[in-house]
Amino acid sequence: RKEVEQDPGPFNVPEGATVAFNCTYSNSASQSFFWYRQDCRKEPKLLMSVYSSGNEDGRFTAQLNRASQYISLLIRDSKLSDSATYLCAVNPQGSSYKLIFGSGTRLLVRP
Amino acid sequence: EAGVVQSPRYKIIEKKQPVAFWCNPISGHNTLYWYRQNLGQGPELLIRYENEEAVDDSQLPKDRFSAERLKGVDSTLKIQPAELGDSAVYLCASSYQGQQYNEQFFGPGTRLTVL
Repeated sequence: RKEVEQDPGPFNVPEGATVAFNCTYSNSASQSFFWYRQDCRKEPKLLMSVYSSGNEDGRFTAQLNRASQYISLLIRDSKLSDSATYLCAVNPQGSSYKLIFGSGTRLLVRP
Repeated sequence: EAGVVQSPRYKIIEKKQPVAFWCNPISGHNTLYWYRQNLGQGPELLIRYENEEAVDDSQLPKDRFSAERLKGVDSTLKIQPAELGDSAVYLCASSYQGQQYNEQFFGPGTRLTVL
């Protein structure tokens, strides 16, 4: 089993839709969690850090579920420009600065 | 504020040739990372530096890969000799140690093609 797993998608949604991705992790002692956005042939860009209490940034909401060992990303009112691959990253216990990335979930927002 | 700088952006070489990648992190960031990203996968850590010390190189194929960060600022990753399977995007990232959530910021990467 991979340490961090994501549904590869693609998720194909119309503009204005709400879409949610999950990311599961295997190490129950994982400390911190992130969502990155990666456009085609570009570098990953930090979208959000995921706090224990959950956090929101505009149309984006991130949640952490420690009991079930997953993080989620909710995008409301999808825009064409949200089309990208969304990578989750997890910092496992015992390595304060190492990130394990999932393979990403591809989102396509259509007009 | 300037982001992470990497060069070259693209490199095409024949197998068995050497290749080197350069990275300059965000000013003030003392931790530097080299990742490799294969098509359709997330980045995988190769090596992490805290200042000039390599503190995690467990994923670095040491028979052909080497890295250095002599003055604790910019860094070079080298492959010698390159193999076909080394074709990938090599990403450099940096962060500031002491930050609560260790947010890492990536450079644009070097896309390596080995023929």
